[in-house]
Amino acid sequence: DVKVTQSSRYLVKRTGEKVFLECVQDMDHENMFWYRQDPGLGLRLIYFSYDVKMKEKGDIPEGYSVSREKKERFSLILESASTNQTSMYLCASSSGTLQENSNTGELFFGEGSRLTVL
Amino acid sequence: SQQGEEDPQALSIQEGENATMNCSYKTSINNLQWYRQNSGRGLVHLILIRSNEREKHSGRLRVTLDTSKKSSSLLITASRAADTASYFCATDGWDTDKLIFGTGTRLQVFP
Repeated sequence: DVKVTQSSRYLVKRTGEKVFLECVQDMDHENMFWYRQDPGLGLRLIYFSYDVKMKEKGDIPEGYSVSREKKERFSLILESASTNQTSMYLCASSSGTLQENSNTGELFFGEGSRLTVL
Repeated sequence: SQQGEEDPQALSIQEGENATMNCSYKTSINNLQWYRQNSGRGLVHLILIRSNEREKHSGRLRVTLDTSKKSSSLLITASRAADTASYFCATDGWDTDKLIFGTGTRLQVFP
């Protein structure tokens, strides 16, 4: 069974803390994504990566950074957590070459990490 | 930037009835996908329809695509209580290399 694993289902952090959200996929996929999901706003893309050590900003990258040192692992980092970053964070992966005007295939999602920042 | 918008936002039906959800989008697309999300869980891919296709079936699911109207519909036939979930459309546009999701339709199927 293909799998995307997010390290923590639930986290509670304090304002100003550094937060790491880890995501690992076992499908040898080239592309990995971080989304956040908020009620009424749907899924919004934070960052994505189409290769090791490569990263691209999504629609809402402010306040976040990412790291992809190995193909299977894509980490989302909140350098200094704030209350407006309380959200559900979803990691996803897909196969194939991701470039402009190419088809984006099926995304495989992890179970999500629900982060609360107090 | 939001590309797809689902309609209705919420839908309640009885088991055995059909459920229809609609998705409208703004720009030209390569493909359109539908995903399902159970409460508090990740999304699961249901079906992908390419821009040159008009209809696709998968089990009890039927998806249509009308590129002239920039809209798609997802029909779930003979619904079951286990179909209760949120359903999202996602579009892969010609001018972008990422998948853009809509805000979803919450489907409740009562036994």
